[in-house]
Amino acid sequence: KNEVEQSPQNLTAQEGEFITINCSYSVGISALHWLQQHPGGGIVSLFMLSSGKKKHGRLIATINIQEKHSSLHITASHPRDSAVYICAVYQNSNYQLIWGAGTKLIIKP
Amino acid sequence: DAGVTQSPTHLIKTRGQHVTLRCSPISGHKSVSWYQQVLGQGPQFIFQYYEKEERGRGNFPDRFSARQFPNYSSELNVNALLLGDSALYLCASSWSPGETQYFGPGTRLLVL
Repeated sequence: KNEVEQSPQNLTAQEGEFITINCSYSVGISALHWLQQHPGGGIVSLFMLSSGKKKHGRLIATINIQEKHSSLHITASHPRDSAVYICAVYQNSNYQLIWGAGTKLIIKP
Repeated sequence: DAGVTQSPTHLIKTRGQHVTLRCSPISGHKSVSWYQQVLGQGPQFIFQYYEKEERGRGNFPDRFSARQFPNYSSELNVNALLLGDSALYLCASSWSPGETQYFGPGTRLLVL
């Protein structure tokens, strides 16, 4: 079993839909990151969370430390949101960022 | 301000050769991490350096080594290249370990 599991693996939706991507982890962490990777490889850090909820524009990230679960939400989705979204957890014990496999999101116009 | 820069952007090598990849962090960032991303998979942690010392190492063979210089730039070295080393190598910098990481564009390495 992977230490960081994401679901779904692939998600196709229509423009305007509300999107939810889930991340569950099984290790002790000091922080959880949500990242976005566009075709061609560029990675952008969206959020770093250690508790609660963060919002940036149409993106919202939540984390439940007790349940070891985080969600990334996109409101009013747009084709430019199409990308791979990756959850990664930071283990303070060994300075290692453990990555999920990513969720490939396609938003159709 | 410039973001994280990496060089070269693309590289083709043959099996058995050696390669050096370079990374310049965002000004003021003292931590640099290296990741390998094989096509179709998520990134895998290779190394983290902070204040010129290795602070973390992933599950990679000794053929992989790295260092961080006094100006906080970093090099990743891979010896005796194998076909399986073909990947996108990503560098990320942060103020310190555990802080938000900012990624460079990556170096695409192809081993023939």
